[in-house]
Amino acid sequence: GENVEQHPSTLSVQEGDSAVIKCTYSDSASNYFPWYKQELGKRPQLIIDIRSNVGEKKDQRIAVTLNKTAKHFSLHITETQPEDSAVYFCAATTNAGGTSYGKLTFGQGTILTVHP
Amino acid sequence: DSGVTQTPKHLITATGQRVTLRCSPRSGDLSVYWYQQSLDQGLQFLIQYYNGEERAKGNILERFSAQQFPDLHSELNLSSLELGDSALYFCASSVEPGGALNEQFFGPGTRLTVL
Repeated sequence: GENVEQHPSTLSVQEGDSAVIKCTYSDSASNYFPWYKQELGKRPQLIIDIRSNVGEKKDQRIAVTLNKTAKHFSLHITETQPEDSAVYFCAATTNAGGTSYGKLTFGQGTILTVHP
Repeated sequence: DSGVTQTPKHLITATGQRVTLRCSPRSGDLSVYWYQQSLDQGLQFLIQYYNGEERAKGNILERFSAQQFPDLHSELNLSSLELGDSALYFCASSVEPGGALNEQFFGPGTRLTVL
């Protein structure tokens, strides 16, 4: 089955700096890669996603890049703010059928702390 | 607010007991997913339903079962509870499991504590 590795496990930055979180996946059939932000005790919240026919996607201060050949994808947050502090999860799935259809496999999470 | 609702928010019970967690998907979503989040295991996929039928299973224990009803709400049943079952249980929903409408939106979760 799919395996997703996420690094780093913790990330501490100063307000205004950029933050980068990286994930690798194992199943070449995976073609949908969402990122979730989870605040303490709250639900995971979808913040951005990318599909395998696209190399990069941007939404204001957040961007995601995908390298299908190397099987890795990354989350980039620019001009970080204290409210960006949370746990971030990457995930992978395939929407092309099979036993993994729709099932999200998550990375281990990154605790991002943005210091004012 | 994602539009996915879960009840109850908190559940405290004893070992050996049985509980039922309920999930209502967003309006228009046909697919429901259950995930377990614990400190040592992270977010783990349990089971998926699409329009009333089971579509995929993850690392779901035999003591756990689920179903999706005709009105599309879903229930996760956990029986013979053990201390290790204490976790946050999330439900997520999407329009469909794949294609362009497969974004999953999570409910607020049910925190289960087994004493």
